[in-house]
Amino acid sequence: IAGITQAPTSQILAAGRRMTLRCTQDMRHNAMYWYRQDLGLGLRLIHYSNTAGTTGKGEVPDGYSVSRANTDDFPLTLASAVPSQTSVYFCASSDLAGADTQYFGPGTRLTVL
Amino acid sequence: GQNIDQPTEMTATEGAIVQINCTYQTSGFNGLFWYQQHAGEAPTFLSYNVLDGLEEKGRFSSFLSRSKGYSYLLLKELQMKDSASYLCAVRDSDYKLSFGAGTTVTVRA
Repeated sequence: IAGITQAPTSQILAAGRRMTLRCTQDMRHNAMYWYRQDLGLGLRLIHYSNTAGTTGKGEVPDGYSVSRANTDDFPLTLASAVPSQTSVYFCASSDLAGADTQYFGPGTRLTVL
Repeated sequence: GQNIDQPTEMTATEGAIVQINCTYQTSGFNGLFWYQQHAGEAPTFLSYNVLDGLEEKGRFSSFLSRSKGYSYLLLKELQMKDSASYLCAVRDSDYKLSFGAGTTVTVRA
């Protein structure tokens, strides 16, 4: 593994189903983030974690939950998917030091029908 | 919160120069980033400004004026591979990024 990986690459999901998007980084970064990207709206922060064991809410947290059991993994769960959650989801990480540049995973394209 | 504005689209000719402007209103400023995003791919880091002035990286330069809430990304000697979306992002005092909607640059031969 090099950098950030996300799984699945894409998914079609029926409304009401539960779904977990996976994110793993091997850079030992302290902070991890989940964004959604919708046409015309740019990237919007869903949840974040500054260190293992802690999480926080971003701009659009409703309908999503996260956990950070260890440094490397930061899964995003949709408890009961709705069509408005159709989007491209990006996971990112940063080391919270210096320029604290965020590095992004390849994304998961989710369609909720 | 942050309010970040950038143009939706720009078109330029191969070999030319394009300047993408970004204006922001922020409740706490802790740096400005530019990312490049090709269609269907992840954003990749281009530049970072935290102090006023110009940062140059090869064909790309980024400028910041904190007093004016203004930044621009300058792309010189445009190449076809520069066709992409360019995202302006402002970091707040809590180290959270807020992104503009992005500027799609199309480079024509």
